[in-house]
Amino acid sequence: KAGVTQTPRYLIKTRGQQVTLSCSPISGHRSVSWYQQTPGQGLQFLFEYFSETQRNKGNFPGRFSGRQFSNSRSEMNVSTLELGDSALYLCASSLEMSGGYTFGSGTRLTVV
Amino acid sequence: KQEVTQIPAALSVPEGENLVLNCSFTDSAIYNLQWFRQDPGKGLTSLLLIQSSQREQTSGRLNASLDKSSGRSTLYIAASQPGDSATYLCAASDSWGKFQFGAGTQVVVTP
Repeated sequence: KAGVTQTPRYLIKTRGQQVTLSCSPISGHRSVSWYQQTPGQGLQFLFEYFSETQRNKGNFPGRFSGRQFSNSRSEMNVSTLELGDSALYLCASSLEMSGGYTFGSGTRLTVV
Repeated sequence: KQEVTQIPAALSVPEGENLVLNCSFTDSAIYNLQWFRQDPGKGLTSLLLIQSSQREQTSGRLNASLDKSSGRSTLYIAASQPGDSATYLCAASDSWGKFQFGAGTQVVVTP
C-alpha cells in the first residue's frame, strides 16, 4: 500500500519567486492537511482539504494557498517567497475523522 | 482553543531503561490522540492512535494511555534502544479531524 507521496523532496528558490508543492494521499483518503515545520515555531497548521473543499485554515498570510483535485491529490502554493518561508512542509492524509494522520516525508524548501 | 504540551522538551536515558513521555491537553473533548516519531529532517511516523473511546493502545514495546478527564496521555517505551533516539510528538484532534500538535520531546538513548 503506497504511503503519502510529496514532491519534490528539496527545493531552493529565490526571494520573490513562487513555488508549488504536491502531495498524493494514500489511496482512499479524502482529507489532506498541510503543515509548516520550523525549528523555532514547531508544526504549524496551514490548511486542510476534503473532497476538493478547504475545510480548515490556519493563521497564515494569503500568500499561502492550496487546492485539492478530484483524485484527492493536493497542491500548495506560496507566492512572493520570503526568507522566513524556509521550512519543512509536511502533508498528511486521513480517512475523515477515524483513521488519524499519515504523513509524507516532506518537502524541504530553502529560500535564498 | 486546544493547547497541547509536552514536558520535558528533552530527555536522555541509558540503553535498556524504560522511557515515559508525557502529553497534556487543555480540552478534554478530543476525538483522537496520536503519537508520532520524527527523525531529523524527516517526516512524522505514526506510532499509536488512541480513539476517544479507548484508554490505551499497544504495539510491541510501545504502550500509550489516554485519560481524557485529566487531559493526559503517556507514551511508554520499554527497554529503550539507541534506535529509539528521535523526537516524539503527540497530537490531539477535534471532531473535525483537525490535529493540534505538542512541541515534542527530544529523546536520546545512550549505548
